Amino acid sequence: DAGITQSPRHKVTETGTPVTLRCHQTENHRYMYWYRQDPGHGLRLIHYSYGVKDTDKGEVSDGYSVSRSKTEDFLLTLESATSSQTSVYFCAISAPSGGQQTQYFGPGTRLLVL
Amino acid sequence: RKEVEQDPGPFNVPEGATVAFNCTYSNSASQSFFWYRQDCRKEPKLLMSVYSSGNEDGRFTAQLNRASQYISLLIRDSKLSDSATYLCVVVNSGYSTLTFGKGTMLLVSP
Repeated sequence: DAGITQSPRHKVTETGTPVTLRCHQTENHRYMYWYRQDPGHGLRLIHYSYGVKDTDKGEVSDGYSVSRSKTEDFLLTLESATSSQTSVYFCAISAPSGGQQTQYFGPGTRLLVL
Repeated sequence: RKEVEQDPGPFNVPEGATVAFNCTYSNSASQSFFWYRQDCRKEPKLLMSVYSSGNEDGRFTAQLNRASQYISLLIRDSKLSDSATYLCVVVNSGYSTLTFGKGTMLLVSP
């Protein structure tokens, strides 16, 4: 258990509304990530953070923004949700395993945009 | 060529069978390799790292061939609880940026 929680776990919203997803970790990890997972595409990186106020874009960042004002919280915002953003969103942290850095995931948020 | 490619699934096997999954990656500079397991409607979970010398964890054996850019996962004596999707994962650069394969589904039947 990597001490990662996500909220909300499920959300239904309407096209055009803003949505913020929260990722919270309790173990002071420096790196945090947001992914989306869709059938046929696998896991794709949206944004990541390498410290407080330090973030960068991933593979599918269009339509998303992030913020990290505290080490423990990494927020993902959909400024104006679209149906194409219906997905399962996973947060992850980077931690060592067997001498290598890898990632551990939160339980996910299922988002439906109508 | 896609960055990480895996066998298409699903693999349907009986309990007790041995099953092998394969994965190829395109970036010869890739640094680290992992297998993750994902149960239906759950998050991916680290199954095991993959080392050049090969490594074993109980019924699971992972192999890496850097020259061929090929990774494998062997599961012996399959259990019903092994039913899941197995994700091949490659680390290419700094900041621990992972690239995931699309996964291979395994269904173990009684």
